[in-house]
Amino acid sequence: EPEVTQTPSHQVTQMGQEVILRCVPISNHLYFYWYRQILGQKVEFLVSFYNNEISEKSEIFDDQFSVERPDGSNFTLKIRSTKLEDSAMYFCASSASGSFYEQYFGPGTRLTVT
Amino acid sequence: AQSVTQLGSHVSVSEGALVLLRCNYSSSVPPYLFWYVQYPNQGLQLLLKYTTGATLVKGINGFEAEFKKSETSFHLTKPSAHMSDAAEYFCAVSASNTGNQFYFGTGTSLTVIP
Repeated sequence: EPEVTQTPSHQVTQMGQEVILRCVPISNHLYFYWYRQILGQKVEFLVSFYNNEISEKSEIFDDQFSVERPDGSNFTLKIRSTKLEDSAMYFCASSASGSFYEQYFGPGTRLTVT
Repeated sequence: AQSVTQLGSHVSVSEGALVLLRCNYSSSVPPYLFWYVQYPNQGLQLLLKYTTGATLVKGINGFEAEFKKSETSFHLTKPSAHMSDAAEYFCAVSASNTGNQFYFGTGTSLTVIP
């Protein structure tokens, strides 16, 4: 069964450093998403991406964040200068189409900022 | 705007007992509703979804949920709990007028007592 994959599974970085989280969505999906889950809190939407551009973003997704689909398979989330409060589990998701289609989630990347 | 409230952050049931996890939503337009399960150190897995049509939806692992518009609810049930059901459960809503982002509840941690 097709699945969303994410690398690395755990990333430790120092405050102020740049990190890139990588995702490989399901191959025939058209919509791509990033969510984050701070420990003990709910899953929060960050950004959605369609047709090579951001379609929606939340207030969390400020200028420190960017997304890219550099080739036909990868979907990346970059945090330019990490802060302690960026420590969270980051989930990538993809869906075949719009809002009534289920989103398939990857296993997540745990980002720890020290 | 859409939102989800999950009543009870922790639910404990005995093995073999009924599982009932509550979810109430708020939506200005017909919602699309989802239940996801998260096992320790894993990503989110879709249990079931409601988009249109039959209001009682069946999902994987014996779970089902009923969309009740009058009560703005989408409670998750399973007739007989199994030890393997112990996990975190998230209710999510999306809608046609808010793009593709999912709004998640805060989650309910289910413990199954032998």
